[in-house]
Amino acid sequence: NAGVTQTPKFQVLKTGQSMTLQCAQDMNHNSMYWYRQDPGMGLRLIYYSASEGTTDKGEVPNGYNVSRLNKREFSLRLESAAPSQTSVYFCASSEVLRQLNEKLFFGSGTQLSVL
Amino acid sequence: DAKTTQPNSMESNEEEPVHLPCNHSTISGTDYIHWYRQLPSQGPEYVIHGLTSNVNNRMASLAIAEDRKSSTLILHRATLRDAAVYYCIPSGDNYGQNFVFGPGTRLSVLP
Repeated sequence: NAGVTQTPKFQVLKTGQSMTLQCAQDMNHNSMYWYRQDPGMGLRLIYYSASEGTTDKGEVPNGYNVSRLNKREFSLRLESAAPSQTSVYFCASSEVLRQLNEKLFFGSGTQLSVL
Repeated sequence: DAKTTQPNSMESNEEEPVHLPCNHSTISGTDYIHWYRQLPSQGPEYVIHGLTSNVNNRMASLAIAEDRKSSTLILHRATLRDAAVYYCIPSGDNYGQNFVFGPGTRLSVLP
């Protein structure tokens, strides 16, 4: 089982460029999430999608947009990349939206550098 | 949201038990206590979770204090592969926002 697949694994951008991070899950999960992780820190939630067709802001949404393309896919877009967005980005999914005893499944991450 | 306190780092010898503590004194009565770990260069992975009773699975055991203000993740025999950052996360019903990964505890396992 692939689980949660993220592409690309690495990306270097120049300030002002745009790009989309892709995420797909094959577990038929309803909910999907985007986190970022800065060096030496925990993960911070950027956006989440409770179910197909819905998206909501997390803790640090500024500078990002998301699209829940279908049940499997949840993309994260940087319209005008800034050096402060240099980070490792993780996509995650769960069967339902963060029920009290639900488990999150994570992808292996995208290392993004903005010069 | 419940706040957690974990040691920044811990060290263990291979094949010895490891007890990773977590304080969550503001936990609410309905919050589950989740533990995840993050191996180097990987995304976090689920380890275990519980509500009130102690829990066991193939990866670890979770001991929850009677007052639920603290918990301990127990790795019965640490291996080199267990070297990771371990996150303790009380999880309430503030969907989306509240599943907070703090800095966690970095566990080093010595051969």
